[in-house]
Amino acid sequence: DTGVSQDPRHKITKRGQNVTFRCDPISEHNRLYWYRQTLGQGPEFLTYFQNEAQLEKSRLLSDRFSAERPKGSFSTLEIQRTEQGDSAMYLCASSLSGGEKAFFGQGTRLTVV
Amino acid sequence: DQQVKQNSPSLSVQEGRISILNCDYTNSMFDYFLWYKKYPAEGPTFLISISSIKDKNEDGRFTVFLNKSAKHLSLHIVPSQPGDSAVYFCAASGGTGNQFYFGTGTSLTVIP
Repeated sequence: DTGVSQDPRHKITKRGQNVTFRCDPISEHNRLYWYRQTLGQGPEFLTYFQNEAQLEKSRLLSDRFSAERPKGSFSTLEIQRTEQGDSAMYLCASSLSGGEKAFFGQGTRLTVV
Repeated sequence: DQQVKQNSPSLSVQEGRISILNCDYTNSMFDYFLWYKKYPAEGPTFLISISSIKDKNEDGRFTVFLNKSAKHLSLHIVPSQPGDSAVYFCAASGGTGNQFYFGTGTSLTVIP
């Protein structure tokens, strides 16, 4: 099965440290999304790539957050100088261009202590 | 600004009965709607979708109804099974952006 894969599944970090997450989308999907989910909320949009181009970013994505998709395949999401408020589930999804369905990975659970 | 709303945080249904989950949206530009199912500590799993040109879509035990004039959609699960117990998210896309907008979810418990 070549579903969306995210690594790591869990990350515990100390406040102030940098963390990086990886997402491998479904291979033929050229759209890739990052979402964040906190307890009791639905997934909130962070950013979106069409191939290697980052086409949209949410206001939620502060300067401490950066995402890349260098070759239009896998993507990384980096959070610098983590804060306790960054603790959340970070979800990656992919879809076909013009396709309506997005398929999600298992997520990376970040805990900032 | 919550453009997709699920006003019922939880729902309990007896096994074998119908589960009806509701969702309202505010943006008339949305043209595609999806339902996702989520278990704890996992990512959302796509369940069923509907385009705005339709008012009903059916897939096995799952049916989604769309009422564009009321900006309302619902997911019917018949018959409900204990394995259906999960959090269900409604999502919408369309308009000027490329993102999916999610509701806050409804936790469904199917009682054996």
